[in-house]
Amino acid sequence: ETGVTQSPTHLIKTRGQQVTLRCSSQSGHNTVSWYQQALGQGPQFIFQYYREEENGRGNFPPRFSGLQFPNYSSELNVNALELDDSALYLCASSLSGGASQETQYFGPGTRLLVL
Amino acid sequence: KNQVEQSPQSLIILEGKNCTLQCNYTVSPFSNLRWYKQDTGRGPVSLTIMTFSENTKSNGRYTATLDADTKQSSLHITASQLSDSASYICVVIRLGGGATNKLIFGTGTLLAVQP
Repeated sequence: ETGVTQSPTHLIKTRGQQVTLRCSSQSGHNTVSWYQQALGQGPQFIFQYYREEENGRGNFPPRFSGLQFPNYSSELNVNALELDDSALYLCASSLSGGASQETQYFGPGTRLLVL
Repeated sequence: KNQVEQSPQSLIILEGKNCTLQCNYTVSPFSNLRWYKQDTGRGPVSLTIMTFSENTKSNGRYTATLDADTKQSSLHITASQLSDSASYICVVIRLGGGATNKLIFGTGTLLAVQP
């Protein structure tokens, strides 16, 4: 176990709906990164939050948004869901803004299915 | 272009046998390389972290090698067990810069260990 938890574990939504995924980082970690992993693919970077501020963003549209709270837990919000949003969503926590030598500890993921 | 390529895409071996997974990368500037194990539907778990100066690193039955000159890495699994069945992902971390494009993921090698 990495100490990173995510909720819910599974979720089914329909096109056009909105979804909120949650992540609790490992104790003492101030950085959370979110990834989207389609079936059979490697994780794709969505964005990272460091001390409640967005610290970098991948090639995802604005309908993917996030938030980090003072306790460093984080949310990923996706609006206007599309079928292609079906994937495993991973969050990873680390120290110090994800410096090169820091290991990112991944949560178990949330499996989202959009019908 | 920063890329990480893994081979083979999938592999089936018998329990007790050894296997070697390959990772080639074109990421620059290089900081370190990590191998992760990802069970189906779960988050990746770090196996090894290798910096530029390290050639070999072991973690139990897992041994990773790195040739920074040829930009190649391998993960060798000794005396495989059924629980080794998973996807193995090679991740190369870029030096410096922001969070975007910091971690470059391979698409993984899917390993199935059969009794």
